[in-house]
Amino acid sequence: AQTVTQSQPEMSVQEAETVTLSCTYDTSESDYYLFWYKQPPSRQMILVIRQEAYKQQNATENRFSVNFQKAAKSFSLKISDSQLGDAAMYFCALKGGKLIFGQGTELSVKP
Amino acid sequence: KAGVTQTPRYLIKTRGQQVTLSCSPISGHRSVSWYQQTPGQGLQFLFEYFSETQRNKGNFPGRFSGRQFSNSRSEMNVSTLELGDSALYLCASSTRLAGQGELFFGEGSRLTVL
Repeated sequence: AQTVTQSQPEMSVQEAETVTLSCTYDTSESDYYLFWYKQPPSRQMILVIRQEAYKQQNATENRFSVNFQKAAKSFSLKISDSQLGDAAMYFCALKGGKLIFGQGTELSVKP
Repeated sequence: KAGVTQTPRYLIKTRGQQVTLSCSPISGHRSVSWYQQTPGQGLQFLFEYFSETQRNKGNFPGRFSGRQFSNSRSEMNVSTLELGDSALYLCASSTRLAGQGELFFGEGSRLTVL
């Protein structure tokens, strides 16, 4: 069975600072994908960043980067230079067979 | 380019009734997947359709069903509604099977069961 665990229900960061959201997963698949999705309040969920498990290089999208530790089955998201618009629920997701989401981390950004 | 459209956005039903939710994917997208989002259980995968065929199914009872039409539009149906079915139902479309390509989500259909 596949599982995704986000151990931080809530996180807070000061504007312009850096924050890291944690995610651990488990899968028996050898080929899989990992994602971070963002769900702003009352708005649509959007993809933040995507990582193919076979790639050793960590994915980066502007201010967003991941720390992918395959052996440890860890996939954390780092947000640099946090902005007010980054406030949202963040979901870690794993696609091996089915697409499975973690419970989410609610990020607040303080001005 | 129009995004993923879900209808209705809000609906209220009573226990025992049935409901049908609709999802129109982005033009050209052949994959449609459905998720149930609740505060307690988070986001749970319901099923995925690709080119009118169900490709994956989550761990939901048979009361939850879906289908996809030739134009890629999808519907999901929940029969004999229970209070616990109250949730936000999200639909997402993709050019490839969910996870292989980026998912584009709709705004969801919020179902309240009384």
